[in-house]
Amino acid sequence: ETGVTQTPRHLVMGMTNKKSLKCEQHLGHNAMYWYKQSAKKPLELMFVYSLEERVENNSVPSRFSPECPNSSHLFLHLHTLQPEDSALYLCASSQDWRTGANVLTFGAGSRLTVL
Amino acid sequence: GQSLEQPSEVTAVEGAIVQINCTYQTSGFYGLSWYQQHDGGAPTFLSYNGLDGLEETGRFSSFLSRSDSYGYLLLQELQMKDSASYFCAVSDSWGKLQFGAGTQVVVTP
Repeated sequence: ETGVTQTPRHLVMGMTNKKSLKCEQHLGHNAMYWYKQSAKKPLELMFVYSLEERVENNSVPSRFSPECPNSSHLFLHLHTLQPEDSALYLCASSQDWRTGANVLTFGAGSRLTVL
Repeated sequence: GQSLEQPSEVTAVEGAIVQINCTYQTSGFYGLSWYQQHDGGAPTFLSYNGLDGLEETGRFSSFLSRSDSYGYLLLQELQMKDSASYFCAVSDSWGKLQFGAGTQVVVTP
């Protein structure tokens, strides 16, 4: 257990479905992140929230919609996804956003398959 | 933009030493970090170098040379449990991390 919990661990959805990924951190951190991890590729930063305000959006398609209702919870709402969106989605948190020595604590990820 | 290069795979026997190199091209470089990820698990932080030189943490050491835009992670006295993927990541002054594609380390008996 890292202190960052993601649910569900596995998700299969059709291209017309709507689903959500959930992330919860129990570390008292003030920043939360969504990363996409595809095989043999670098982790791609999708969104950053600092104190519940979105501070980074890396040109992510609008079919991915993040929500941060409080500093402990982060959601990723999914709608009309494409098969190429199949990947491991990692949530992370940190206490040091806006400092260079930023250490991330990751969850184990949600494995998404889009049919 | 930023780009990082690290080998895709390294194989070594138990007890050996493995060095994973990471070269980067980036603007606004602040520091270099290393993360470990076992299959099916979460990436976990291993080390951070903000200054040139060697940082040692038990069997693992990390090195940075800013002038060469280069760093490495050294794994000593390899154990089977060290079989995992290792990612280097560069951070800017805002703490934004850009990751490499990862190096899979395979430890054999």
